[in-house]
Formats: sequence, C-alpha cells, structure tokens
Amino acid sequence: AQSVAQPEDQVNVAEGNPLTVKCTYSVSGNPYLFWYVQYPNRGLQFLLKYITGDNLVKGSYGFEAEFNKSQTSFHLKKPSALVSDSALYFCAVRDIRNTDKLIFGTGTRLQVFP
Amino acid sequence: EAQVTQNPRYLITVTGKKLTVTCSQNMNHEYMSWYRQDPGLGLRQIYYSMNVEVTDKGDVPEGYKVSRKEKRNFPLILESPSPNQTSLYFCASKQSRAAETQYFGPGTRLLVL
Repeated sequence: AQSVAQPEDQVNVAEGNPLTVKCTYSVSGNPYLFWYVQYPNRGLQFLLKYITGDNLVKGSYGFEAEFNKSQTSFHLKKPSALVSDSALYFCAVRDIRNTDKLIFGTGTRLQVFP
Repeated sequence: EAQVTQNPRYLITVTGKKLTVTCSQNMNHEYMSWYRQDPGLGLRQIYYSMNVEVTDKGDVPEGYKVSRKEKRNFPLILESPSPNQTSLYFCASKQSRAAETQYFGPGTRLLVL
C-alpha cells in the first residue's frame, strides 16, 4: 500500500538554527513528492515538489528538501529557522493508481522559539 | 489574485440538517477536489472532479455529495450530517488531471452536534 510517514508529531527548534522535518514514503515506481505548509487558520500552501532530476529541491520561503531513493525519504530542511516558520507541515505523495489524488502524511508541527 | 475560496469558514450545525459548503476557484482549473483533515489522520480525499459534470469518489465519500455544474464551482453537500463529519474541510484545485501541484482553499471548520 502506498503511504507517507511523518514520524514526528512536533519539532522544536531555536530561531537561527537549522531545521529538519522528516518524511518517508512507500510507493512502487518513481514517486512524485510534495511538501505543504499550513499556517494557523489558513489553508495548505504549496512549498515544493520533487518529480525528477536533482535530489535537492528548493522551494518557497527558503525551504529545501532532499530526495533520497535508497532511504525512501524526502526530508524538509531550512538552514536557519525563523519564528514565522512555526506551522503545520505536511508531506504528500501522488497516488500511483489514481494520479489525481495526493496521499498525505499526518503532519508535523514545527515550533520555532525566539 | 489567483485563489480558491470556501464558504462558510466556520459552521456549527445539528445532526440531520442539510448543509452545503461552497468552493470556488478563479484559475480556470479543470480539476477540483475535497479533503477532510482530522487529527492524526492527515488529509483524506472525499470526492474529486476532473471537469464539468465529471465527478468521482475519493477515499471517504460516505455521507457526502458533490456537483460540478460550472468549472469554477465545486460544492460539497452533506444531506444529513452526523457528528462523525465534524472536521476541517479543504477544497483544492489544479490546472488539469496531469498537473502536479494542487492549490488549497482556506478551510471550513464544521461542528456537527
């Protein structure tokens, strides 16, 4: 079965420190992977995607993600966290059988402390 | 501004009272879908539509209906809401079935008593 796992419910980091939000996936074939962010009382906003090509993908707001096929991971990273990065982050993979659909992880709450 | 809008943003209702959550996008997208978000479960797709008059079930369609009479609108209908439909609902759209990136509305928080 296809799935996405976000092993951490919450990640805490001090402002200015690097952050990592973890995501692993399980799909057959080549995955299409996404990261979305949800700020309080807002809808999901697209951050970045991996379709093919470079394993390091750059996205909005200084975020990047590294695709690692051998570890089936797609961790979200940022070199220097901001308090305003505090939000709920979702990893998602496109369903191989129904390419219209995204399969989401359960979300990771990122808290950046001043 | 390109966007997906939903109304209402917040709704409290009682069991069995029919309700409709509207969704509209101004990007001329062909594909639209509805998700519900529940704690610990992430987002799950309810219904989707590939174009006008073309709709299909997602993973959790029970208790919901949709229609797509116009390209820009994709309302979600709860004919007889029940407490287990208390959730946060998101509408999303993308350019076409083949497009990779979906754009989400701001969400509708529904409480069914």
